[in-house]
Amino acid sequence: EIVLTQSPDFQSVSPKEKVTITCRASQSIGSSLHWYQQKPDQSPKLLIKYASQSISGVPSRFSGSGSGTDFTLTINSLEAEDAAAYYCHQSSSFPLTFGGGTKVE
Amino acid sequence: EVQLLESGGGLVRPGGSLRLSCAASGFTFSSHAMSWVRQAPGKGLEWVSSISGSGGSTYYADSVKGRFTSSRDNSRNTLSLQMNSLRADDTAVYYCAKSLGGGSYVEDYWGQGTLVTVSS
Repeated sequence: EIVLTQSPDFQSVSPKEKVTITCRASQSIGSSLHWYQQKPDQSPKLLIKYASQSISGVPSRFSGSGSGTDFTLTINSLEAEDAAAYYCHQSSSFPLTFGGGTKVE
Repeated sequence: EVQLLESGGGLVRPGGSLRLSCAASGFTFSSHAMSWVRQAPGKGLEWVSSISGSGGSTYYADSVKGRFTSSRDNSRNTLSLQMNSLRADDTAVYYCAKSLGGGSYVEDYWGQGTLVTVSS
């Protein structure tokens, strides 16, 4: 099973600051890493697919990078509406797995 | 517009069974793999199961293998999850999710979820 380790667990930031969340895979997964945002009492929303591919309708301040075992989600100029939990997710092999999540306030 | 509507959640005693359903609309159902993902209260996301577009391939997390069965009816655009031998640690909101398509298992749309509570 591929274990995804996210850091940090929690990040408190001010509006307009830059946020960086990392996700490390226990083995190489190529670019099969995806990022989700989950706001309180809502279902998850896909933000970035295949490490760096943007999703239609997602603000351009969200970007992803990385390959192999190390990946990063960057939120440029954070807005208040970005307060949420963020999860990485790998689809390289079954069982599919999620990172533990990062809460951004 | 993609819509996924889960149903079937509720309170069940340990050892009991429950069948979840997900009604899909707004896309060509048979062309997309589907998944179940759960979230225990206050916890993170846990993948449970995926099924290919044809229904010919199914995959399960070790934590549910042998107890849960995923199936789909492409004529009715419906996904199901049969859950047997339920345990307290199965308590969670269960989400139905649609995949990108083209053989991908990346979930791009999620339903609102249905709560399953396993308790005596």
